[in-house]
Amino acid sequence: QKEVEQNSGPLSVPEGAIASLNCTYSDRGSQSFFWYRQYSGKSPELIMFIYSNGDKEDGRFTAQLNKASQYVSLLIRDSQPSDSATYLCAVILSGSARQLTFGSGTQLTVLP
Amino acid sequence: NAGVTQTPKFQVLKTGQSMTLQCAQDMNHNSMYWYRQDPGMGLRLIYYSASEGTTDKGEVPNGYNVSRLNKREFSLRLESAAPSQTSVYFCASSRREGPTGELFFGEGSRLTVL
Repeated sequence: QKEVEQNSGPLSVPEGAIASLNCTYSDRGSQSFFWYRQYSGKSPELIMFIYSNGDKEDGRFTAQLNKASQYVSLLIRDSQPSDSATYLCAVILSGSARQLTFGSGTQLTVLP
Repeated sequence: NAGVTQTPKFQVLKTGQSMTLQCAQDMNHNSMYWYRQDPGMGLRLIYYSASEGTTDKGEVPNGYNVSRLNKREFSLRLESAAPSQTSVYFCASSRREGPTGELFFGEGSRLTVL
């Protein structure tokens, strides 16, 4: 089992819709969770982080964390074509290394 | 501000050749990282340096060496390149010394080993 799992997609949504990106993690002791956006051929860029159970909102983005279910998600409201990118979920694991571990990413396409 | 600068951006090597990827950051960050990204594999940590003078292995360190030359610079060396090292390499930095997910990435270096 991968430590951080994402559906690779591709996920397609129409412009203006809500895009929902999901991530599960295997380490129950993990405390810190991050979402990165990566445009094709570019480097990853941090867009959200969440540490506590519940929702965290930043503009059109909402991160949701459920530690009991070991599940973190990213919602993008009013999706725009400029949101088309690969979204990487990342988790700081609680083991001895305690370094950031990435999922393989979900490719999102927002259709005009 | 340049942020995190990597050189070279593209390189083609033959099996067995050596090379060094250079990384420099101008944000006065404490920790620096080298990741590789392969299709379907996500980003995997090769080595990191939590502070000047220290380096530690990540998930996939075999075949690589690193040097934290000073606070600004962190280099990655391939002593004898293998086709399995064909990848996109990203350098990243963070102001924090401890485990963190708040990383700033360079533009990447695309390496092909023939």
